Amino acid sequence: GAVVSQHPSRVICKSGTSVKIECRSLDFQATTMFWYRQFPKQSLMLMATSNEGSKATYEQGVEKDKFLINHASLTLSTLTVTSAHPEDSSFYICSARADRNSPLHFGNGTRLTVT
Amino acid sequence: QKEVEQDPGPLSVPEGAIVSLNCTYSNSAFQYFMWYRQYSRKGPELLMYTYSSGNKEDGRFTAQVDKSSKYISLFIRDSQPSDSATYLCAMRPEGNNDMRFGAGTRLTVKP
Repeated sequence: GAVVSQHPSRVICKSGTSVKIECRSLDFQATTMFWYRQFPKQSLMLMATSNEGSKATYEQGVEKDKFLINHASLTLSTLTVTSAHPEDSSFYICSARADRNSPLHFGNGTRLTVT
Repeated sequence: QKEVEQDPGPLSVPEGAIVSLNCTYSNSAFQYFMWYRQYSRKGPELLMYTYSSGNKEDGRFTAQVDKSSKYISLFIRDSQPSDSATYLCAMRPEGNNDMRFGAGTRLTVKP
């Protein structure tokens, strides 16, 4: 089945630093990837839609200058949390699909802790 | 009213029981329906993927979609402790990125 790899699985950083999270589709090409945030015991909250070769589309209330998304190739999207603060601590999950008729496949998530 | 309603549980059943998980929705444009299983501190894993109404079976799992009632179900037969997880329903319209998720139902299967 389709595999989406996300790294790192866990990261701890100091307040004010930036953290980059990578999302790769390993056995399929993904023109579109999605970034979600999940709070404990809650469902997924879509942050942005990442399209290969173009700018990401951000959901209302998500700061695009804080959460930088780059989708440079058909198999890689990155999310950079800039100038991280403790309130950015969360579980970030990426997903990808091969085409419009395919289901989403998710990475295993990245647990970010900002101290 | 949320677009997708899912009882968060928790739901606890004995091993071997048949589990029924459900979601209702309000948007008649939804055409693709999915069920994901999410273990603690992991990403969601796709279990079932169906298009429009009907049933789909895969091993111990059966997904049902009733578009006339705007109701979808996931049945787990012969439930195992390893099935203990949160189950998320998800759906979207055709040709659209706009995926909507249920809140997730937390299931515990006790040995």
